[in-house]
Amino acid sequence: AQSVTQLGSHVSVSEGALVLLRCNYSSSVPPYLFWYVQYPNQGLQLLLKYTSAATLVKGINGFEAEFKKSETSFHLTKPSAHMSDAAEYFCAVSGGLTGGGNKLTFGTGTQLKVEL
Amino acid sequence: NAGVTQTPKFRILKIGQSMTLQCTQDMNHNYMYWYRQDPGMGLKLIYYSVGAGITDKGEVPNGYNVSRSTTEDFPLRLELAAPSQTSVYFCASRLGGVNQPQHFGDGTRLSIL
Repeated sequence: AQSVTQLGSHVSVSEGALVLLRCNYSSSVPPYLFWYVQYPNQGLQLLLKYTSAATLVKGINGFEAEFKKSETSFHLTKPSAHMSDAAEYFCAVSGGLTGGGNKLTFGTGTQLKVEL
Repeated sequence: NAGVTQTPKFRILKIGQSMTLQCTQDMNHNYMYWYRQDPGMGLKLIYYSVGAGITDKGEVPNGYNVSRSTTEDFPLRLELAAPSQTSVYFCASRLGGVNQPQHFGDGTRLSIL
């Protein structure tokens, strides 16, 4: 069984400030972790993924995430927020070979607001 | 490269009507998925398919049916529309391999009145 918890359904930051979106996971097998972004009226786009090759993962648009096994976390960060980062962000976990179809379990999402 | 294409983008149905949401992908992906997205709930898996002719239930399959006769297409059928099926529906596909990400369509926004 696997699950994802995203702390904070809404996060607001000032333009140029650090962005930190939290994700904690639970998985009975070594997890594969993903962050997706969803802009209004669009589908989800992959930001980055963790696949055990490196604990610090760099993604698109300046985002990165660090896998911490001891904390079961995969928090998403960006040093300096831009207005264009305003969107909803989803953390997701895959249980690898278990579960058939390598299904993803999604968190409930965090809406990021960027203010001037 | 079109990726994952969903039609229609918007639809309003009356209670009890039926309809098919279309999904097609041109990336030759074996794995395909249908999700529904409700405010504050994230995405819930309805059905998935690991290849042509093979489908299986996800977390919330009741009220829906799917078929997968070709690699490209994975339609989702609502037989008797109910207000609880008002949602945004997303189709996704991916390559095989445990670390492959899913690629999403732009969604179908469905209202049942």
